[in-house]
Parts: sequence; structure tokens; C-alpha cells
Amino acid sequence: GIQVEQSPPDLILQEGANSTLRCNFSDSVNNLQWFHQNPWGQLINLFYIPSGTKQNGRLSATTVATERYSLLYISSSQTTDSGVYFCAVGAVAGGTSYGKLTFGQGTILTVHP
Amino acid sequence: DAGVTQSPTHLIKTRGQHVTLRCSPISGHKSVSWYQQVLGQGPQFIFQYYEKEERGRGNFPDRFSARQFPNYSSELNVNALLLGDSALYLCASSLTSYNEQFFGPGTRLTVL
Repeated sequence: GIQVEQSPPDLILQEGANSTLRCNFSDSVNNLQWFHQNPWGQLINLFYIPSGTKQNGRLSATTVATERYSLLYISSSQTTDSGVYFCAVGAVAGGTSYGKLTFGQGTILTVHP
Repeated sequence: DAGVTQSPTHLIKTRGQHVTLRCSPISGHKSVSWYQQVLGQGPQFIFQYYEKEERGRGNFPDRFSARQFPNYSSELNVNALLLGDSALYLCASSLTSYNEQFFGPGTRLTVL
């Protein structure tokens, strides 16, 4: 099946700093989503971005599908940005397609005041 | 608009017991997917249902089963619980099988 690798595994920042999280995937995708998981386990949708670039406030994301990677940018980080960030992809598997998401291992972000 | 809802929030069971977890999708969404997340890992796909039919199954034993009802809500059943089934179980809904998925708050299952 498709492999998803996220880097870095851990990231520690001071409030106000910028950061870039990376997601590499091993096959063509028809779905790519970025999530933020809060301390209670809720997965919060950040971006649905199988290709192209999107921005939402201090966050933006870019997916280069032909090169099989996606980047999540966080600018002017705040303590509330702390948590785990997941990249998840959906791929065509053999001759049967369905919407299974394969998640990376996540990036643990800690923002200090 | 209400998001994805799951019940119960927490559950404690003992080994060998059976458990049923429930999920209600966002209104208008016809697809429900189930994921298991153990501590320190990303969620793992268990099942996807669309229009009451199973569309995909992950690498989980037959002790795991699910179904989707005419109102598109879904149940995940786990038989003969093992200690290793302790995890956060997440339900996601989407318009169809391939659209953006939205997750519920999860059910945290502890097996003693």
C-alpha cells in the first residue's frame, strides 16, 4: 500500500516563529488532507489539498502531486497551535478505488510562550 | 450544522467482551469510515461504507465488523475484545467515498 512519511517528527518553537511541516507519499493520490489533533483526540480539518496551494489565515499548504509531497506552513505560531499535525492521503489501490485515508505518523508541535 | 457525532465517549470493557460503537454522519453525507488510533500512532483504516454497502476494509481481524443504516448512521462492532483493542476509535463522514472526510470526537475504548 501507499507509504506516508512526515517530517520532522517533533518540532519545538517559540511563539511568533514560522515553521514548515512536510509530507512525502509513495504513490499517486486523489485525496490529501492535513489535520490538527487536539489534546482530546479530535481531528480538526485544516486543508483538503490533493494538488495546488491554499491559504487559511496563518496557515497555508502546497501539494506538488507530480513530485509526491505536500507542505504545511504555519506562520507567526501561537501556543494554541501546539498539538499533533497529521497528513493523510487517499490513493487508488489496485483496480478497486475507495476513500481509505492512509495517515502519516504525525509531527508533534510544541509552541512555547 | 451538527458535525459528526459518536457515542459513547468513553468505554471500559474486559477481555472477551463485545462492544458496539455508534456514529452519526454530517447531514447529507452518505459515506462513513472507521479508524483505530492507538497511542502514539496515526489512525489506521478499518472500514468504509457508502450507501449502506461496504466499500473497503483494512487489515483487521474478523472480530471487527460494521454496518450502515438507511439513515447513513453506522455501528462498529468488536467481538472477543483483546487488550490490544484499547484505542481511540474515530468515525469520519464524507459526501461520497472520495470526498473530504470529517471526523467525530472519537470513542476511547479501554480493555482491561
